[in-house]
Amino acid sequence: DAGVIQSPRHEVTEMGQEVTLRCKPISGHNSLFWYRQTMMRGLELLIYFNNNVPIDDSGMPEDRFSAKMPNASFSTLKIQPSEPRDSAVYFCATQAARGEQFFGPGTRLTVL
Amino acid sequence: SQELEQSPQSLIVQEGKNLTINCTSSKTLYGLYWYKQKYGEGLIFLMMLQKGGEEKSHEKITAKLDEKKQQSSLHITASQPSHAGIYLCGADFSGGYNKLIFGAGTRLAVHP
Repeated sequence: DAGVIQSPRHEVTEMGQEVTLRCKPISGHNSLFWYRQTMMRGLELLIYFNNNVPIDDSGMPEDRFSAKMPNASFSTLKIQPSEPRDSAVYFCATQAARGEQFFGPGTRLTVL
Repeated sequence: SQELEQSPQSLIVQEGKNLTINCTSSKTLYGLYWYKQKYGEGLIFLMMLQKGGEEKSHEKITAKLDEKKQQSSLHITASQPSHAGIYLCGADFSGGYNKLIFGAGTRLAVHP
């Protein structure tokens, strides 16, 4: 298995632009998590899905952020419009049956 | 997160020395997860602890969860340069969906 796949690995955009981050979970994992990591705030959970259904989105910063999981093999995190304070590394993680979460390599987002 | 405190924030040791990293919770844990992160990369799962008094080992790394399930320690024996990185503990307070709250991390450097 290739593990959790995220794309793009790096994204540089200008303030106001729409950004879409993508995640392909490990096959058979039924929970998917989106995290954001910054120096100031550390690793924060944004939203998680169970069986493609959003369970808890209380970590989503504001309405500019949205996440979808249309099927078991794909999820997106969208920021529209993006702002410089959104610059961070965004991780997708999926959960195995016995509770451990496997993390993807992350997407490093820079908003100018 | 203020719910989860890691100490020390950073650690520099000489190769071959033992070291301990602590993770303290303000409330009872349903599960405690240890991860390692290298700069620019995703998190690598190390160990998961769920039962009070539980102890697990992998190679030269041992993790323990105290009886009250509010504190965990990660111990590395005979450290090597390959152990360098950021160690994060993640706490499951939810008891169900493994929604993890992460500590701020401990940055470890091992000098040869």
